Amino acid sequence: GAGVSQTPSNKVTEKGKYVELRCDPISGHTALYWYRQSLGQGPEFLIYFQGTGAADDSGLPNDRFFAVRPEGSVSTLKIQRTERGDSAVYLCASSPGGLQKTQYFGPGTRLLVL
Amino acid sequence: AQRVTQPEKLLSVFKGAPVELKCNYSYSGSPELFWYVQYSRQRLQLLLRHISRESIKGFTADLNKGETSFHLKKPFAQEEDSAMYYCALRASGAGSYQLTFGKGTKLSVIP
Repeated sequence: GAGVSQTPSNKVTEKGKYVELRCDPISGHTALYWYRQSLGQGPEFLIYFQGTGAADDSGLPNDRFFAVRPEGSVSTLKIQRTERGDSAVYLCASSPGGLQKTQYFGPGTRLLVL
Repeated sequence: AQRVTQPEKLLSVFKGAPVELKCNYSYSGSPELFWYVQYSRQRLQLLLRHISRESIKGFTADLNKGETSFHLKKPFAQEEDSAMYYCALRASGAGSYQLTFGKGTKLSVIP
């Protein structure tokens, strides 16, 4: 079946602009995660959704970052007033729910802030 | 807080040689450990998890709680094993779902 998809695959923006990154999880997966991977680093946790609600947003670096999942499926990560340090690959993962389930990752969105 | 350390950024081995990718972790409880792999131009995918105790593509990994390690091993490297490997930890207990990743090791298998 179809895996996790993310759009756009690449995004170039200017410092100070607003961006939205989209994630389509695997159908039926109730849990959704966002991670950020900077150059030379492993993925770092940002936020976790169980259904429509953000169960844990402790990884969001500051209040410029926000994510929603209004219908419990597609999620959007929103970044306001982008900064050059936000440049990274943003990864989305989904899992069937439950604490012991495997997370399946999307291809990522590569964000470059000029 | 938990931490995962992969001491080698790059590991080069010849085809047919044994491979060991090191992973050490820091966590006070009982963690769940994973190895994820990312082949060129592909997405991150699960290779194996310690609770499964299985061998995938000839790779095995044993959780050593005494040494807080979860090294990935394969007796005979193949060219198709060349990829980026990430060790990851998930804490135990309620509310434990996020993965903490190491920085990764790039494995290059020389023909």
